[in-house]
Parts: sequence; structure tokens; C-alpha cells
Amino acid sequence: AQSVTQPDIHITVSEGASLELRCNYSYGATPYLFWYVQSPGQGLQLLLKYFSGDTLVQGIKGFEAEFKRSQSSFNLRKPSVHWSDAAEYFCAVGPKSGGSYIPTFGRGTSLIVHP
Amino acid sequence: DAGVTQSPTHLIKTRGQHVTLRCSPISGHKSVSWYQQVLGQGPQFIFQYYEKEERGRGNFPDRFSARQFPNYSSELNVNALLLGDSALYLCASSLDRRGYTFGSGTRLTVV
Repeated sequence: AQSVTQPDIHITVSEGASLELRCNYSYGATPYLFWYVQSPGQGLQLLLKYFSGDTLVQGIKGFEAEFKRSQSSFNLRKPSVHWSDAAEYFCAVGPKSGGSYIPTFGRGTSLIVHP
Repeated sequence: DAGVTQSPTHLIKTRGQHVTLRCSPISGHKSVSWYQQVLGQGPQFIFQYYEKEERGRGNFPDRFSARQFPNYSSELNVNALLLGDSALYLCASSLDRRGYTFGSGTRLTVV
């Protein structure tokens, strides 16, 4: 069964510092990979996604993620964090084939930004 | 274009009652998925519908049911509500397996 692990429940960074959120997945083949962000009480907004090709993916709000097949990882990065980036971040994987295409989500990483 | 619309945004129910949540997908999207998100957790898959047929069901009791209408909108029904059903219920619509757009959710509180 597919699974997603986000090992960090909380991450605290200072505004202007760099950020890396970790995501590891377990799946039979390379799945589709996603990062979503959720502000308090809101739905999920897609930051970026990886399907194939270039392993470094650019997203919205200055985020990027790198797919590493050998490590089954898809870590999210941002070179300089802004206070407005404080939110919950979810990594998700989805199957590339099969009758259903149901993404599986990690438990999330809460980002706290200090001024 | 309108995004995924969910209604109501908030509601409070009493234990044992029944609730119906509604979702309108993005125009042209034929697939709708429902997720339950308990505070502090990631979204947990409940149902997926495509072209009015159930494509997947998560590990939820039979008290949970759903359906999709000819216009691709969807309803999630929960019977005999329990305190543990209190959560944010998210609907996502998709054109294919490469993109899922979420609504803002319905916050259900069971008292």
C-alpha cells in the first residue's frame, strides 16, 4: 500500500531563512507527487507537482521541490521564508495508473515563522 | 471560472443526527473526491466518484455514503453522527489523475 511520511510535525524558522520540508513515500512505482499548503480553517492549495522529466520542480510562491528516486523523497524548499508562509504543508502521492486515482496524504508539517 | 464550491461552510449537529454536505466541482471536471480532515491530521480519503460511479472507498463505516449527480455535483451523507465525526470535510474535483483542486471545506461540529 502506498504511504507518505512527513517526519517533521513542526518546523520553526526565522523570516528570511531558508526552508526544507521533508517528504518520503513508499510506492511500487514512481507515483505522481504533490505539495499542498493549507492556511488555518481553509482548504488545500496546490503548490507544485511532479509527473516526470526534470526532477527539480518550480511552484507558486517561490517554492520548489526535488524528486530523488533513489531516496524516494520529494522535499520542498524555499530560499527565503516570509511570515505569510506560516501554514500547514502536506505532501501527497497519487498513482499513475489503475482504475482509481486517489492521492494519499502525509500527516502534514506545521511551519512556524519567527519575525 | 468558479473553483470547487462546498456548502455549507460550517454547521453544528447533535449526536445521532444526520448531515448532508454538498460539493460542486470545477466546470468540466468529472471526478469528485471526499476527504475527512481531523484537527492536526492530514486528509483521509472517504470516497471518489467518476461519471456518477464510485471509483474508490476509504476505510470509513457504512454510516458514510455519497453520490454524484448527472451535473457532476456530489453529496456526502453521514448518518447517526458521533462526536468523532467532527472534522473539516474537503471535496476535491479533478479532470484526471494529475491534478486535484480542493474546496474550502465544510467544518462539521458534533455536540
